[in-house]
Formats: sequence, structure tokens, C-alpha cells
Amino acid sequence: EADIYQTPRYLVIGTGKKITLECSQTMGHDKMYWYQQDPGMELHLIHYSYGVNSTEKGDLSSESTVSRIRTEHFPLTLESARPSHTSQYLCASSYETQYFGPGTRLLVL
Amino acid sequence: GESVGLHLPTLSVQEGDNSIINCAYSNSASDYFIWYKQESGKGPQFIIDIRSNMDKRQGQRVTVLLNKTVKHLSLQIAATQPGDSAVYFCAENIGSWGKLQFGAGTQVVVTP
Repeated sequence: EADIYQTPRYLVIGTGKKITLECSQTMGHDKMYWYQQDPGMELHLIHYSYGVNSTEKGDLSSESTVSRIRTEHFPLTLESARPSHTSQYLCASSYETQYFGPGTRLLVL
Repeated sequence: GESVGLHLPTLSVQEGDNSIINCAYSNSASDYFIWYKQESGKGPQFIIDIRSNMDKRQGQRVTVLLNKTVKHLSLQIAATQPGDSAVYFCAENIGSWGKLQFGAGTQVVVTP
């Protein structure tokens, strides 16, 4: 089992609020990823990181931003949440095989 | 563009029977493939993987088959149990840094 954690698990928030989704892993993986997934749908990569101070945008355009100041921590921030941001956000890390956290379900009202 | 896709969106299987989930991929440069299981409300869970230099790999009750000639990947689950009910995703590894491209997923429903 992978040791990768996400908080909060569920978040309901109003439009315009700033939110940060936390992701931490204790495996020492250099590579970390954020995916967005709508219910029953495939995963779309929105951000990834090769290591500390390295961040790149993924295939799906996202208004969120990420940072990688420490190896184990890869938070995702939305400066101004909108209803279109309602989705599930999954964090993963890897040496080679990607291991996923439990996800954060975000609902923006 | 290149894509990974699944043939069947929903698979209903009787408890105790074997399940076969299929996946087609189109990127001939992919060298590593992974199957994930995702239960409701949870993140994807690694099941089994296979490299492009292999055509079969077995795990506990699961077998992955890779046919590079027709760019086809399958996951076989032996003696399917109620706990196997989930959405199954195949993913292909593209590039050197570990980027995965996921298919649309197959919902497996195990009936008693």
C-alpha cells in the first residue's frame, strides 16, 4: 500500500473562495501528480512535478496552481473557486508506478 | 491523437466466474502498462503492471495479457468476488518521466 495522503477528503465551499488541497507522501518519491476526475470518468492530468522546485502543467488546462517546496508535499491551490471547479482531485506519486491518494471531492456552490 | 480506450463500459459477471476486461491502445511507443482498480469514493489502486517486453504477467487472481501486434491489453480476474466490483482503468506510460494516459474505465458489477 502506498503512503500518500490528501486533505480534506470532502470540501464544500462558496464561489470566490481561495482553497488549498493538500497532498503528502512519505515514500520519498521525486515525481508527483495532480489529476482531475469527474464521477465515472477517466483521469485527466492537470499538474506534475519532477522534484523540488519543479512544476509543469498537464494535459488538461486548469486554473489551479501548484508548488513543490518539499519532496513530500505537493499542494494545489485555487485562488478563486467557481462551480466549474467542482470535481474530484487525485494526487499521486511515483518512482515508476504511480500510487494514488484517496482524493478530495470538491463542491463549489 | 494517441489514446487508450476500453471496449466495454460495463461488465456484469456472476460471482465465481472469470472476468476479462479489455483495453486498446494506439501509442506504439508505450513501454509500460498498468491496471488500476477504483472503488467508489476512493483513489485508484494499483493492481498489476506489465512491460512491453513481456506478453503475460500473473498476480494473485489476476493476469494481464499484452498483445503488441494489435495494441491490446487485457485484465483477467479469476473467480470474481463481490469485492471486485469497481471501475477498472488501464493506463499506458508515455515518456521517460512517468506520464500516464488513462482510458475511460470499465465498470465491473459482480452479481450473486
